[in-house]
Amino acid sequence: RKEVEQDPGPFNVPEGATVAFNCTYSNSASQSFFWYRQDCRKEPKLLMSVYSSGNEDGRFTAQLNRASQYISLLIRDSKLSDSATYLCVVNRASVGTYKYIFGTGTRLKVLA
Amino acid sequence: EAGVAQSPRYKIIEKRQSVAFWCNPISGHATLYWYQQILGQGPKLLIQFQNNGVVDDSQLPKDRFSAERLKGVDSTLKIQPAKLEDSAVYLCASSSTHGTTTYEQYFGPGTRLTVT
Repeated sequence: RKEVEQDPGPFNVPEGATVAFNCTYSNSASQSFFWYRQDCRKEPKLLMSVYSSGNEDGRFTAQLNRASQYISLLIRDSKLSDSATYLCVVNRASVGTYKYIFGTGTRLKVLA
Repeated sequence: EAGVAQSPRYKIIEKRQSVAFWCNPISGHATLYWYQQILGQGPKLLIQFQNNGVVDDSQLPKDRFSAERLKGVDSTLKIQPAKLEDSAVYLCASSSTHGTTTYEQYFGPGTRLTVT
């Protein structure tokens, strides 16, 4: 079982739709959580950090459920430009340092 | 603020040849990471530096891969000899650390390696 798991998709949704992605993690010592966006043939870019209380940035809302060990990303009013791969990233302590564990990503296609 | 710089952007080599990639992190970022990303997968950590010391190289194929960060700033990743399965994008990232807190990572544009 992978430490961070995501549904690879693709999720095909019409413009204006609301779409949600979940990500589960297996290590209860995980401390920080992030969503990154990766466009085709580009590097990952930070979309938002995920806080325990949940946080919102415009059309994007991220939630963390520590008890069930999952994080979620909700995108409202989808735009064509939201088409990308969304990577779930978990940060946890490792021997002498911290490490980032990436999920495989969830592909989103927003259709006109 | 300048981002993470990487070069070259693309490289095509034959199997058994050697190749080197260069990374310059964001100024002041103590932690530097090299990732390998194969198409359709998330980035896989190869090696992590804290200043000029290695803190995690558990997934680095040490028989063929090597990396260094001699002065705690720039870093190079080398593959010698390359295999077909090394075809991937090699991403460099950096992050700042304050005390025991490590902040989000910032990625360079990557080097796309094709081994023929």
